Amino acid sequence: AQSVAQPEDQVNVAEGNPLTVKCTYSVSGNPYLFWYVQYPNRGLQFLLKYITGDNLVKGSYGFEAEFNKSQTSFHLKKPSALVSDSALYFCAVRDGGAGTALIFGKGTTLSVSS
Amino acid sequence: GAVVSQHPSWVICKSGTSVKIECRSLDFQATTMFWYRQFPKQSLMLMATSNEGSKATYEQGVEKDKFLINHASLTLSTLTVTSAHPEDSSFYICSALQGRSTGELFFGEGSRLTVL
Repeated sequence: AQSVAQPEDQVNVAEGNPLTVKCTYSVSGNPYLFWYVQYPNRGLQFLLKYITGDNLVKGSYGFEAEFNKSQTSFHLKKPSALVSDSALYFCAVRDGGAGTALIFGKGTTLSVSS
Repeated sequence: GAVVSQHPSWVICKSGTSVKIECRSLDFQATTMFWYRQFPKQSLMLMATSNEGSKATYEQGVEKDKFLINHASLTLSTLTVTSAHPEDSSFYICSALQGRSTGELFFGEGSRLTVL
């Protein structure tokens, strides 16, 4: 079965510093990987996805993620964090082919201090 | 991006009553929708896959008689929590699949259910 792991429950970073939120995956076949962000009592907002192509994926709000096949990782990054980036971040993998549900990691809370 | 609307956003009900949550794709047709449940500060757990015109497929451990899912049209899926109890209190989120080939999933804003 497909799965993703987010090893950190919380990441703390100062505003203006680079941030990384970690994600590793375990899939059979080609991985379809996603990052979403969730603000309190809200739904999920799509940040970016990797289906195929360049290993560095650029997404919304200045976020990017690097697909690393050898390390089975898909870490989310941003060069300069903002206080408004503080939220809950989920890594996800598609459960199968097109048309299947996403399986989510446990989530990582990002806290950016001013 | 495409818009998925959930209603109601918040609902409080008495134990033993049933609650219906609607999920609508506003500007696209969704043959497939997914229902997730999220406990506080936890991940989203897939409950079921809802396909238009057919019975929903439930994940292991999810009671299909408890959580009734209906996907009667290409833009609407409903989740009914029957005979709700306090342990059913949770945040329920739906997502709709836009275009089977692209596989783009769009999420609703979620529905907070509190059962007293």
